[in-house]
Amino acid sequence: DTEVTQTPKHLVMGMTNKKSLKCEQHMGHRAMYWYKQKAKKPPELMFVYSYEKLSINESVPSRFSPECPNSSLLNLHLHALQPEDSALYLCASSQEGGRVNQPQHFGDGTRLSIL
Amino acid sequence: LAKTTQPISMDSYEGQEVNITCSHNNIATNDYITWYQQFPSQGPRFIIQGYKTKVTNEVASLFIPADRKSSTLSLPRVSLSDTAVYYCLVGDPHSNYQLIWGAGTKLIIKP
Repeated sequence: DTEVTQTPKHLVMGMTNKKSLKCEQHMGHRAMYWYKQKAKKPPELMFVYSYEKLSINESVPSRFSPECPNSSLLNLHLHALQPEDSALYLCASSQEGGRVNQPQHFGDGTRLSIL
Repeated sequence: LAKTTQPISMDSYEGQEVNITCSHNNIATNDYITWYQQFPSQGPRFIIQGYKTKVTNEVASLFIPADRKSSTLSLPRVSLSDTAVYYCLVGDPHSNYQLIWGAGTKLIIKP
């Protein structure tokens, strides 16, 4: 069982839809991350939240909008996505903000398909 | 940007020791080396992390030479359930946050 919970596990949406991915952790971690992973590729960092503040945006298109309502929750709002955005979206957390060489705990991801 | 290089794939047999080597020539002075394991349709799982010499935990050992330009993940007595992709990560010397993930090594364990 993973300590980072992501919902939904699968999502199919059209290019004009608006949807949200959710991530939750109750380990008291203060840094949370969104990654995108394409098939047979390593995860690519998208966003980092440190102490509930957005600290890193890796030049992600504005059709992806992160939100951190509190220290346990992380959302990724999706709007007007493109077919190439189809991927596995992973959430992770680590104990403290700062350098991400700290061990990260990953959820099992949301498999997103854009029609 | 720092780069890591890993073998694309490796095969081994149950009960063998498996060593996966990662090259990271531009590792920063303060950076650690971290290895993750990923099964299909799951998120990566932390295996081990180290800075220099040798680190051992209940599942693996990590060997890092003095120049730190490479590291070797050692999995003792592998089983079929160790079939997975193994990623080597090091910190990017130009960023406090960006980790450089290796392309991953697909390890296949045969009976």
